[in-house]
This record gives sequence, C-alpha cells and structure tokens, in this order.
Amino acid sequence: DTAVSQTPKYLVTQMGNDKSIKCEQNLGHDTMYWYKQDSKKFLKIMFSYNNKELIINETVPNRFSPKSPDKAHLNLHINSLELGDSAVYFCASSQVITSGNTIYFGEGSWLTVV
Amino acid sequence: KQEVTQIPAALSVPEGENLVLNCSFTDSAIYNLQWFRQDPGKGLTSLLLIQSSQREQTSGRLNASLDKSSGRSTLYIAASQPGDSATYLCAVNDMRFGAGTRLTVKP
Repeated sequence: DTAVSQTPKYLVTQMGNDKSIKCEQNLGHDTMYWYKQDSKKFLKIMFSYNNKELIINETVPNRFSPKSPDKAHLNLHINSLELGDSAVYFCASSQVITSGNTIYFGEGSWLTVV
Repeated sequence: KQEVTQIPAALSVPEGENLVLNCSFTDSAIYNLQWFRQDPGKGLTSLLLIQSSQREQTSGRLNASLDKSSGRSTLYIAASQPGDSATYLCAVNDMRFGAGTRLTVKP
C-alpha cells in the first residue's frame, strides 16, 4: 500500500499547455510538500502545506499553483508550461512541519516539456 | 540563506570498504538534518534523521553524526555492499538539500 502516491509518473507535453500533477498520502500526516529535481539532480523545495494551509512558497513562478483540497492531497497545477519546467517533481509528506519528523517521498513525476 | 554542500560528488569503492560521506551547511540554526538515499528513477528514502539536540543516529551499518557548531554532518557506511550503490542526499530542516553523493560499490 503506497504511502505517498503521485500521478502521472510520466508526462510529455507541449510548451504553453496547462497540466496538473496529483499527490495523495495515506499516512495521516499534516504536512505535504512539492519538490523539484532538475537535470543536475539538485532537489529544491517549492511549496509546503500544513493542514491545507500554505506555509512555504519558495520563489516559485506564479504559473505554479498548489491546491490542497484536504490534508491528504496536494496537487500541483502548472500554467503555460515552459521548456525550463522539464524536471522531476516529487511530492512528500511528514507528520508535522518544523518538528523534525521523517519525510516520506513519492516516486516522482517526470515532466518533459517539448 | 542556508546552503548545503556534499562532498564528494561521486565515490567508487570496492565491496567491503567502510566509507564516509560528508555534508556541510552554512547556518547552524537548524532543527534537524536527514540523510536520504535515492535509487535511479525512484523517490527518496529517509535513512537517518538527527534532531538538532542529538549528535548521532545509527541504523544497522549506517551511522550519521551532526556537529552544528562546525556546520557538518557525516554518514558512515560500514562494510559496504553493491546494494548500497545509490545517490545519498542530506537535507537540512526538511527543505534544503545538498546535490548528493553518487556512490558505487563494486563487487
């Protein structure tokens, strides 16, 4: 039973399109995250939500809009996709933010913009 | 702004060797540091979590230490095995990741 699941796993789309990546966690955690891993494998946090409330927004273009309908879900919507958006996007969750709990990651969503 | 650096970027060792991976951070005001493992095409798996009040954590053949005053953490892997081959990343405060060390253990 997957703890943090994200869909789709692979996504190829054209520049200018709008796409969404969905994430769900069944761990009962209060905090969820989106990270971006670029071609150089560098992992950067994008957003963090705690109990459906945005806590962290790390200088991400406003074309990226996270949506948390409930604390088990954090979806990532991207408008007007650009070539530079090509990356692997990871969803993650932890019990409570800033308390130093283990973070659980999803398997990643490979986005390729052509 | 917190900067996290991992050295070396890549490491290749023969099976059975003990090895140390390094992680350094610029701001000592941290509340935790985690070491993760990432296999190709996969997500990250947490290996060890050290709270700011702790100096080390151990799990099996892995031992992670934390020295906040010097801004350093090390991950020690004892008796390395080919199955340990992966990229190891450290993260400070759940948010700031190093670029990782790609470890290859040769049979």
